[in-house]
Amino acid sequence: DIQMTQSPSSVSASVGDRVTITCRASQDISSWLAWYQQKPGKAPKLLIYAASTLQSGVPSRFSGSGSGTDFTLTISSLQPEDFATYYCQQADSFPITFGPGTKVDIK
Amino acid sequence: QVQLVESGGDLVKPGGSLRLSCAASGFTFSAYYMSWIRQAPGKGLEWLSYISSSGSTLYYGDSVKGRFTISRDNAKKSLYLQMNSLRAEDTAVYYCARAPYGSSLFVGYWGQGTLVTVSS
Repeated sequence: DIQMTQSPSSVSASVGDRVTITCRASQDISSWLAWYQQKPGKAPKLLIYAASTLQSGVPSRFSGSGSGTDFTLTISSLQPEDFATYYCQQADSFPITFGPGTKVDIK
Repeated sequence: QVQLVESGGDLVKPGGSLRLSCAASGFTFSAYYMSWIRQAPGKGLEWLSYISSSGSTLYYGDSVKGRFTISRDNAKKSLYLQMNSLRAEDTAVYYCARAPYGSSLFVGYWGQGTLVTVSS
């Protein structure tokens, strides 16, 4: 199975900050990576797929990069509605696996 | 718009069974691969199972293999998860999920979730 790790596990940031979250796969997954945002009590929401493709309707302050084993989600200017938990997911092979999540909270 | 509505979550005793349903609308259900994903209270996301658009190809995660069965009825635009031999660790919110496009393994759309509690 492909193991996904994320760092940091949590980050405290202020509105307007640039936030970067890293995801690492235990083996090469090419660009088969997605990022999701989840707010408390809600279902996750797809932000980015294929490592860098922005899902329709997602603000352009979100961006993704990377390939192979190392990936990054960047929020260029944190907004109040961005405080949430973010998960990466590999879609290269079964079983599909998610990272443990990164909680972004208010500093 | 795309809608996925899960139902069937309940309180069940260890060793019991439950069948979850997911009613789909707003898209051509038969064209999309579908998945079940769960989230235990306060924990992360765990992918459980995946079914191809025709239902001919199935995949399961190790934690549910042999106990859970995914199925679909394209005529009824519905996805199902039959859960047997339930354990306390199966307690979670269960999400029905659709790929953003065709056979993708990404999850473009999620239902609101249905809570399954396994406890005596």
